[in-house]
Amino acid sequence: EADIYQTPRYLVIGTGKKITLECSQTMGHDKMYWYQQDPGMELHLIHYSYGVNSTEKGDLSSESTVSRIRTEHFPLTLESARPSHTSQYLCASSDPGGGGGQFFGPGTRLTVL
Amino acid sequence: GDSVTQMEGPVTLSEEAFLTINCTYTATGYPSLFWYVQYPGEGLQLLLKATKADDKGSNKGFEATYRKETTSFHLEKGSVQVSDSAVYFCARYSGNTPLVFGKGTRLSVIA
Repeated sequence: EADIYQTPRYLVIGTGKKITLECSQTMGHDKMYWYQQDPGMELHLIHYSYGVNSTEKGDLSSESTVSRIRTEHFPLTLESARPSHTSQYLCASSDPGGGGGQFFGPGTRLTVL
Repeated sequence: GDSVTQMEGPVTLSEEAFLTINCTYTATGYPSLFWYVQYPGEGLQLLLKATKADDKGSNKGFEATYRKETTSFHLEKGSVQVSDSAVYFCARYSGNTPLVFGKGTRLSVIA
């Protein structure tokens, strides 16, 4: 059973607020990822990290930022939330020796009013 | 660039029907191939995988065979259940890059 956690599971906030979505994994994986998921289901990679102090932008441009100060922790921050940020955010991690397979957290459903 | 194309849904089947969800991938390199499943309100779970040509991945009655000649990795199940209702994602992995996912196929199984 994969041990990757996301908090909060659900968040409803007003426009302009700063928010941080938390993601932690206890598997010691070097690689971690953030995805934004459409209501239509499609996954969009927005950030990834291959280790501490390493972060890269994904395929979908995002106003969010990430940090990777510890191996197990990969938080995503929105400085000023807007209704267009309303979405499901999924965090994942993978083991370099695992052949590419990723383990996913349960997701955070964000609603910005 | 690398891509994965899977059949659009939604797919609606009666219980005990045969399921096929088509998936094709771009053939650059020698990718590993995956099927993930997402149940309502949850994250994705790895369903099965295959790492080289002619490998067959299987789990929970689902199967998929890595076909290099047709660049395909179709998901099949002989008899679906209501509990199989979910969204299914095909994905490929090659080199030191993130997984590339298809757009997902929603399956609804009715009793």
